[in-house]
Amino acid sequence: KNEVEQSPQNLTAQEGEFITINCSYSVGISALHWLQQHPGGGIVSLFMLSSGKKKHGRLIATINIQEKHSSLHITASHPRDSAVYICAAQAVSNYQLIWGAGTKLIIKP
Amino acid sequence: DADVTQTPRNRITKTGKRIMLECSQTKGHDRMYWYRQDPGLGLRLIYYSFDVKDINKGEISDGYSVSRQAQAKFSLSLESAIPNQTALYFCATSDYTGFAFFGQGTRLTVV
Repeated sequence: KNEVEQSPQNLTAQEGEFITINCSYSVGISALHWLQQHPGGGIVSLFMLSSGKKKHGRLIATINIQEKHSSLHITASHPRDSAVYICAAQAVSNYQLIWGAGTKLIIKP
Repeated sequence: DADVTQTPRNRITKTGKRIMLECSQTKGHDRMYWYRQDPGLGLRLIYYSFDVKDINKGEISDGYSVSRQAQAKFSLSLESAIPNQTALYFCATSDYTGFAFFGQGTRLTVV
């Protein structure tokens, strides 16, 4: 079993829909990262959180430390949100990132 | 200018050739990383460096070497490239909290 599991692997939705991507982890963490990988390949860090909730524009990230679970939400989704979203757990033991396999999101107009 | 710059962006090389991928960052961070991404897989750590005198192997360091020439520069070398090293390579830098900034990636093909 992978230490970081994301679901779903693929998600297709219509423009305007509310999107949720989930991330579960089994290791002790100091933080949980959410990143976005554009179709061209570049990776951008979206959030780093260790508790509660963070919001940036239409993106919201939450984490439940007790349940070892995090979610990334996108409100009012738009075709430009189409990308691969990756979660990564920052191990408390050595601060290294343990990567999920990513969720490929396609938003149709 | 980008915070993290990788060169080259694309490279095709022959089996057995030595190749170097270069990375420079303007964030002033001490920590730098090299990752490899294969289709359908998560990123895998090749090497990382927490300062100029510190080099550490990641989970897949065999067949690779690195050099930290300065705080801002971290290069990755494939001593004798093989086809299963065909992948997308990313350089990243982070501060002490771990929040990372990535380069645009280098697409390497070994034929």
